[in-house]
Amino acid sequence: GAVVSQHPSRVICKSGTSVKIECRSLDFQATTMFWYRQFPKQSLMLMATSNEGSKATYEQGVEKDKFLINHASLTLSTLTVTSAHPEDSSFYICSAPPVLRGDYGYTFGSGTRLTVV
Amino acid sequence: DAKTTQPPSMDCAEGRAANLPCNHSTISGNEYVYWYRQIHSQGPQYIIHGLKNNETNEMASLIITEDRKSSTLILPHATLRDTAVYYCIVGAGGSTLGRLYFGRGTQLTVWP
Repeated sequence: GAVVSQHPSRVICKSGTSVKIECRSLDFQATTMFWYRQFPKQSLMLMATSNEGSKATYEQGVEKDKFLINHASLTLSTLTVTSAHPEDSSFYICSAPPVLRGDYGYTFGSGTRLTVV
Repeated sequence: DAKTTQPPSMDCAEGRAANLPCNHSTISGNEYVYWYRQIHSQGPQYIIHGLKNNETNEMASLIITEDRKSSTLILPHATLRDTAVYYCIVGAGGSTLGRLYFGRGTQLTVWP
């Protein structure tokens, strides 16, 4: 099946700095990547949709300038948390939809645990 | 917004079948039903999906009602490693049409 490789798995950064999270689709091309955030004991919340070669679309209430998304190639999408603050500490997960509708399930990365201190 | 309703928690004895229900009464004709599970601090794991017909794979079976307004995920012989949060999600699938919105899911606890 399809695999999405997400890095880093854990990162600790100082308040005010920026952190980049990468998601790579292995053995398939992902023209779209979804980015989620998950706080402890809560469900996944969709943040944004990245599309290769075009601007990302953000869900309501998600700050575009804070969560920069880049999808420069068919196999790589990145999420940069800019000027991170402790409230940005969360579990971030990316997901690629199936290439063919109904072909197989969406593929999720293994997640990135961000801790801002 | 999530378009599904699931019980918040269920438990099941090891070796028995776990039947997890899901209501999706507003599902549209081109939307699939997807089931995922998430073990603590990991990315969601795909289990199964279906459109109209019942489906079975090596992990589980998916029973979709004829009107498609509800479904049941069946783990035929639950093990302790099946303890996880199970999410039932509807989505169109494929490309940008397929945003998946997660609900709260069902915490399944398998006990020995």
